[in-house]
Amino acid sequence: DAGVTQSPTHLIKTRGQQVTLRCSPKSGHDTVSWYQQALGQGPQFIFQYYEEEERQRGNFPDRFSGHQFPNYSSELNVNALLLGDSALYLCASSLVIANTGELFFGEGSRLTVL
Amino acid sequence: AQSVTQLDSQVPVFEEAPVELRCNYSSSVSVYLFWYVQYPNQGLQLLLKYLSGSTLVKGINGFEAEFNKSQTSFHLRKPSVHISDTAEYFCAVSEIPTDKLIFGTGTRLQVFP
Repeated sequence: DAGVTQSPTHLIKTRGQQVTLRCSPKSGHDTVSWYQQALGQGPQFIFQYYEEEERQRGNFPDRFSGHQFPNYSSELNVNALLLGDSALYLCASSLVIANTGELFFGEGSRLTVL
Repeated sequence: AQSVTQLDSQVPVFEEAPVELRCNYSSSVSVYLFWYVQYPNQGLQLLLKYLSGSTLVKGINGFEAEFNKSQTSFHLRKPSVHISDTAEYFCAVSEIPTDKLIFGTGTRLQVFP
């Protein structure tokens, strides 16, 4: 049973560029959430997708956008990258009907913006 | 809005000693409570969760936590730590019935031989 998988694991971009991060949820899960973890900080909620729609959104600018596909996988897109976007981006999956609040996390994509 | 405060940014402890990592939360509604562990260069792994019922919750790797509603706390404990417990520990809350987690800033547990 595959857990949550994310790609790429590491990437380096320059200011102003755009980046796309990918996530495959745990088998059987239908909801995907994205978190940003800056160095030395706790993860911050970006948004959540369910049934291919953005279900909830945290306090992040519109430069951060996402998508969920029919197979429940998801992408996180960040436009016009800033130095402050350097962070570990974590994807988490869950099953909406479980209603336990429990999330299963991937190992993250570490983005460095130069 | 909810918030989580982890009172200690770092906790050094010797192997086989007991440890307590403190967590307080603030919320105007009912919440679920969680502790996650993050090993270096890895994602987050669930240690334990409180949804309802008994206020003493047991998790993996010998950890347990106690929910105290009056003090709005959810402290994590282990009676005897191992070197392998060295990691970052995060307390988190989610407002019922959503599964959006609000995390604390983390506590670095460093176990010395």
